[in-house]
Amino acid sequence: DTAVSQTPKYLVTQMGNDKSIKCEQNLGHDTMYWYKQDSKKFLKIMFSYNNKELIINETVPNRFSPKSPDKAHLNLHINSLELGDSAVYFCASSQDRAQNRQGPNTGELFFGEGSRLTVL
Amino acid sequence: KQEVTQIPAALSVPEGENLVLNCSFTDSAIYNLQWFRQDPGKGLTSLLLIQSSQREQTSGRLNASLDKSSGRSTLYIAASQPGDSATYLCAVRPLVASKIIFGSGTRLSIRP
Repeated sequence: DTAVSQTPKYLVTQMGNDKSIKCEQNLGHDTMYWYKQDSKKFLKIMFSYNNKELIINETVPNRFSPKSPDKAHLNLHINSLELGDSAVYFCASSQDRAQNRQGPNTGELFFGEGSRLTVL
Repeated sequence: KQEVTQIPAALSVPEGENLVLNCSFTDSAIYNLQWFRQDPGKGLTSLLLIQSSQREQTSGRLNASLDKSSGRSTLYIAASQPGDSATYLCAVRPLVASKIIFGSGTRLSIRP
């Protein structure tokens, strides 16, 4: 009964290919995120969507395109993969504090298990 | 610009000791602070969430404190066990923006 699930868990592909990572959350949250964790284990925000609307778009190459078909899903598509794209990509979700529900756990972040992308 | 720092980067202690992990942040205008653990090859597991109006939160052997004025949070682990070995990360959610900032983590090793 996974709260935030992402697929695939592992992805090995050649340079220049296009690939997608999917994420789904069943927590009823309205905000979803994509983070990138590099080889030094540093976590960096890439994108954030609130109710299907893009609210954070960090300095990420435009080869990366997020898509949120509904507030429970946030997918990440990557075009023309490069060696430097190799990393672990984490999806996360939270209930944004700006919404009506201001409970004690508002803003708590929940992560998926990660998708390890290796570009050869 | 908010910056989050965790020192030390790595810590090794014998089993049974009590220990403290540190997290500091530069901007006190925060909404909450969250502590996570990450096991090798795994995702991040939420440990404790402290809202800006709170001073501490406790869960089992874990206690997290928050001092906004000094820009510090500590994670206290009592009676450490080998199973506590992991990387511990803190993350700060700013008051205004939605961009959550992570520290670089402390890699904890508990020696049997």
